Order: sequence, then C-alpha cells, then structure tokens
Amino acid sequence: AQTVTQSQPEMSVQEAETVTLSCTYDTSESDYYLFWYKQPPSRQMILVIRQEAYKQQNATENRFSVNFQKAAKSFSLKISDSQLGDAAMYFCAYRSARGSGGSNYKLTFGKGTLLTVNP
Amino acid sequence: DAGVIQSPRHEVTEMGQEVTLRCKPISGHNSLFWYRQTMMRGLELLIYFNNNVPIDDSGMPEDRFSAKMPNASFSTLKIQPSEPRDSAVYFCASTPASYNEQFFGPGTRLTVL
Repeated sequence: AQTVTQSQPEMSVQEAETVTLSCTYDTSESDYYLFWYKQPPSRQMILVIRQEAYKQQNATENRFSVNFQKAAKSFSLKISDSQLGDAAMYFCAYRSARGSGGSNYKLTFGKGTLLTVNP
Repeated sequence: DAGVIQSPRHEVTEMGQEVTLRCKPISGHNSLFWYRQTMMRGLELLIYFNNNVPIDDSGMPEDRFSAKMPNASFSTLKIQPSEPRDSAVYFCASTPASYNEQFFGPGTRLTVL
C-alpha cells in the first residue's frame, strides 16, 4: 500500500518570503500522480498543483512550484512571495496511474502541514 | 458551474441516532468518493464509486456505515447507530474519467453527542 508522509506538522513564513513544505511517499509503482491540496479555515479542499510521475519537468502554477525527485520519492511544495491568503493546511496526496475506468482513482493523503503567514 | 454539493453542512445528533449525509457530484463526473477527516487520522477514504458501482469499500470502518449511489447525481452515506467517535468532517468528491484531480464538496461537520 502506498503511504504519504508530511514530516512538518506546522510551518510559518513571513509575508513576501518563500517557504517549502516537504512530502515523501512510498510506492512500488512507476507511474502515478502527485498533488498538493490547500485547506483554508473554510475547510474547502482546493487543488494547488499536480505532477505526473512520467514528467521530469517540475510543475509550476504562478507562485507555487514543486521539486519532484522521483528516485528519492520526494515531492516538496515551494510557495514564493507568500501572502496572507496562503495561510492554510496543506495536504500532499498520491494517486496510482494503474487501472482504468475509475478502478484505481483513490487518493492517499499525508497528515498535512499547517502553514501560518506572519504579516 | 455548481461544484460538488453536500448536505447538511453541519449535523449534531445524539449517540444511537441514524445519520444520513448527502452528496450531489458535479454533472458528468462518473467517480464519487467519500472521505472522513479527523485530527487523529487525517483524511481517510471510506468508499468510492465508479459509474454508480462501489469499487472499494475497504475504508468503511464497520457495519454501522453504509453508502449508496442510486443514480449518477446522488449518493448517501449513512451511519446507524451513530457513536461519538464518528464525529468528524465528511467530504464527498467527484471526478470525470479523463481527469487526475478530484473536486471536493464543502464537507459536512458531524458531531455525535
């Protein structure tokens, strides 16, 4: 079974600074997807960024980027120019690419990292 | 476009009562997921459906929990009888077959006294 580990229960960053959230995972599969979800106090789960394991290029979405190290099974999230609205719980998630027709679409989540942004 | 709709948003009930949580997935999405979020265990997958058929219910904690998807636009998660340890936020999510990401509803906060 796949597992996802987020070793930082809490992180803090000053507004406008950069912060990196860590995520490692364990899998025997070679093809899979990785995600970072954000959960603000409203508790809505919002997709931040996704990465396909077969792609060597790291995904980027505006101020959010990842450092995907497949051999090390590491998938960290970097938030640049942090804003107050970035304060939230961040979850790393794994999804297998095997199966078809929805047979293996479930997500496995890490325990989350609570990010505080200080003004 | 409407997102995933869940009702109720909050539910407070007493131990032993039956609780029914409802979910309407995004139109056209053929996979539906129920998750439970607690401080102790984080986000756990309870069950998921593909084309209204349960694919994996290994995360359902015990026989007190049951889920149905009678049609493509509606699913229920029922707890009978409810216990205080069932208190959690329950999320429903859906996805179309061609997508990698899941779209989450706002969640139902369940409190069992």
